[in-house]
Amino acid sequence: GQNIDQPTEMTATEGAIVQINCTYQTSGFNGLFWYQQHAGEAPTFLSYNVLDGLEEKGRFSSFLSRSKGYSYLLLKELQMKDSASYLCAVSDSNYQLIWGAGTKLIIKP
Amino acid sequence: ETGVTQTPRHLVMGMTNKKSLKCEQHLGHNAMYWYKQSAKKPLELMFVYNFKEQTENNSVPSRFSPECPNSSHLFLHLHTLQPEDSALYLCASSQVTSGRPNNEQFFGPGTRLTVL
Repeated sequence: GQNIDQPTEMTATEGAIVQINCTYQTSGFNGLFWYQQHAGEAPTFLSYNVLDGLEEKGRFSSFLSRSKGYSYLLLKELQMKDSASYLCAVSDSNYQLIWGAGTKLIIKP
Repeated sequence: ETGVTQTPRHLVMGMTNKKSLKCEQHLGHNAMYWYKQSAKKPLELMFVYNFKEQTENNSVPSRFSPECPNSSHLFLHLHTLQPEDSALYLCASSQVTSGRPNNEQFFGPGTRLTVL
């Protein structure tokens, strides 16, 4: 079956760096997405990786290793507003998104 | 209005009621989606419409009935729901092209549904 695994919850300190991991097993691979979802709000797009390596976008970076079925989202210089759930999703062979359950990130002062 | 809007934002209904959820996208996209989001569970794709044609129906019970009258509007008609159907229902849209089927999806704020 298809499966996306990510930690349920993580805690980090304001100003620090945090890495949220995602491992996947899917039927085919057409890219991996990261979305951010604040409580009570819609998920919003953060990044898309289809080739191996690191994609940097401001304070956020996303890494992909297709051979390992692994990705991470790296958040630097954490701010209180980064407290949210982070969703990992993989596009399978039919271009259908398979979603992880999300990682709730708690930022402490 | 901009982006993707959904109404109502909150809905409480009994198991014998009939209600409809509405989604409207103002982005000119050609694909729309219904998702179910339950606490601590992955997003579940329910229905997909490409160019107003339904292309996915992921074994969703018949008590959920989608309708897509045009590329900007999507409805989810609900009848005789069960308490386990209580969840956040999210609508999303994207622009699907033959060269780039993997464009990002834009989500609405969701409808929080409670079935008593």
